[in-house]
Amino acid sequence: QSVLTQPPSASGTPGQRVTISCSGSSSNIGSHTVNWYQQLPGTAPNLLIYGDNQRPSGVPDRFSGSKSGTSASLAISGLQSEDEADYFCAAWDDRLNGPLFGGGTKLTVL
Amino acid sequence: EVQLVQSGAEVKKPGESLKISCQSSGYSFASYWIGWVRQMPGKGLEWMGNVYPGDSDTRYNPSFQGQVTISADRSITTAYLQWSSLKASDTAMYYCARHTTHFDLWGQGTLVTVSS
Repeated sequence: QSVLTQPPSASGTPGQRVTISCSGSSSNIGSHTVNWYQQLPGTAPNLLIYGDNQRPSGVPDRFSGSKSGTSASLAISGLQSEDEADYFCAAWDDRLNGPLFGGGTKLTVL
Repeated sequence: EVQLVQSGAEVKKPGESLKISCQSSGYSFASYWIGWVRQMPGKGLEWMGNVYPGDSDTRYNPSFQGQVTISADRSITTAYLQWSSLKASDTAMYYCARHTTHFDLWGQGTLVTVSS
């Protein structure tokens, strides 16, 4: 598996709750914690969630992460226009012996 | 301020060599792995490899092993990514990032364009 599996796109209206899934295997998500990164248009990625469900300082509590087995999810509640971005999941992979990223999900705020 | 600052955009021809840099400040450079991540135009993120400046230990994604060289100079708190012979397919944005169990600090990116 070369990447973790994410839906290519997601959308929602302001105020809605959206979730983005991330599917892996026993060699990555099943054995290691999941991290999420937000990439706003034209900027570098930024850490959004680490350790499955921990928020770095400064990340609003509208963003939350969860994991079950070999899948993880990012939830965004109270969707805002500024949340329009690409979102990437990542986890350590034992076969790669390094971090493995998801393909990314482009979130559109309608 | 804790930050990683990368060198500027580069335009190169196929076959040329290139070394881009990532300078850290505000934390103990020698104590954290630095990773390099590639983002091809319109695509996702790919981990290329990591270097531990404390002892220069280096790990590579097999897909990039032999294609690039990752290194670090503790004396000037700078990590490097270099190519000996660029290809058009190396055109991408390259990010350095501090790595623990996650990438918690990112550089602003260096755009490398390889075109004849």
